[in-house]
Amino acid sequence: QSVLTQPPSASGTPGQRVTISCSGSSSDIGSNTVNWYQQLPGTAPKVLIYNNNQRPSGVPDRFSGSKSGTSASLAISGLQSEDEADYYCGTWDDSLNGWVFGGGTKLTVL
Amino acid sequence: EVQLVESGGGLVHPGGSLRLSCQVSGFTLSSYAVNWVRQAPGKGLEWISYISGSGSTIYYADTVRGRFTISRDNAKNSLYLQMNSLRAEDTAVYYCARDQGGRYCVSTTCSEFYYYSYMDVWGKGTTVTVSS
Repeated sequence: QSVLTQPPSASGTPGQRVTISCSGSSSDIGSNTVNWYQQLPGTAPKVLIYNNNQRPSGVPDRFSGSKSGTSASLAISGLQSEDEADYYCGTWDDSLNGWVFGGGTKLTVL
Repeated sequence: EVQLVESGGGLVHPGGSLRLSCQVSGFTLSSYAVNWVRQAPGKGLEWISYISGSGSTIYYADTVRGRFTISRDNAKNSLYLQMNSLRAEDTAVYYCARDQGGRYCVSTTCSEFYYYSYMDVWGKGTTVTVSS
């Protein structure tokens, strides 16, 4: 059972906007910044959003992140077929002294 | 190019041991903390261990504490994970991932700030299978 809670699945049609939520507690999201990772089928995870809402160079601005209190969300606008992947939120947990992840959300582009 | 390459995975019997390596290139290993993260078949990501750039700070997940040992040799640009008393539930792809971070200024004068960090570069992973 993951420390952070994400919906197991999400879907949308090309061009739509989808959001993925991530819920935590005061010791993790409430105290630290949130990162989002994208894992395409058969590949290693790749950072998509860091520091709640920052995009590494090369990540399209269709991807955006936000955080409020003990929750965070990832938004993907202008959905494309290549966005079909698993998405994980992650943050540091001060009480566990370690990184924690959500269980992952499988995004399907219909 | 910044790269991390894991090796050492394989098939091992329950109760056995395995040592994973992570060879890095393109950056100075001593300047960065590094993590091991694993992913069981069909499951999500699970962080298992962290080691600071100097090696002086180490953390483990409860699921591996006492059985796994993380270490590093900065001179060899390598990170290691010694895994003992392996169990079926340790079967997974094991990734090493570099920690990146910094200070984020909230105010323009930076009188107010906070620290952030994230895993910015990941290896492709090495597969460990624990089975009789």
